[in-house]
Amino acid sequence: EDQVTQSPEALRLQEGESSSLNCSYTVSGLRGLFWYRQDPGKGPEFLFTLYSAGEEKEKERLKATLTKKESFLHITAPKPEDSATYLCAVHTMDSNYQLIWGAGTKLIIKP
Amino acid sequence: KAGVTQTPRYLIKTRGQQVTLSCSPISGHRSVSWYQQTPGQGLQFLFEYFSETQRNKGNFPGRFSGRQFSNSRSEMNVSTLELGDSALYLCASSFGSGLSTDTQYFGPGTRLTVL
Repeated sequence: EDQVTQSPEALRLQEGESSSLNCSYTVSGLRGLFWYRQDPGKGPEFLFTLYSAGEEKEKERLKATLTKKESFLHITAPKPEDSATYLCAVHTMDSNYQLIWGAGTKLIIKP
Repeated sequence: KAGVTQTPRYLIKTRGQQVTLSCSPISGHRSVSWYQQTPGQGLQFLFEYFSETQRNKGNFPGRFSGRQFSNSRSEMNVSTLELGDSALYLCASSFGSGLSTDTQYFGPGTRLTVL
């Protein structure tokens, strides 16, 4: 069964303290991996799509990387405004247009 | 380019009532997916519509239904509301091509509270 697992569930960092969030997946065939950011009470905001192992994408303080089994979202020198829940989802060969979602990592950046 | 819009943004209902939520996708998008999100839960997939046809369905009871119109706007309906239906209901639109480049874009959500 296709599965997406995100870790940790929650992460508290001091402002400026870099870290990484993990999204591991067990799927029959990966077509794309998506990262979203969600603020409380709002809809998820699209960040990145990754398609193949070795691919990397960057946006401001965020950098997403992909291997054959997992993806990392690296946050460099985070600011309090980076506090949010980060969601990962995969599109697979067998998912029939659906995305399979992880439960998310709640990131809190303390000033 | 206008984003995904959802109406209403907030709704309060009582048990046993029914509710209809609306979603207008990004212009040119033909797929609309609906999700339920409750505290501590990830996104729970309800159903997806493409070109007025339900293409995928999640594991929710028949009280949850939806439809899509010829202009790609979609509505979802929940009948006989239960307390556990209180949640943030999210709509996402995409081209619906099934290509790996097809990205879902979300609306702001409708916060439903059932009393």
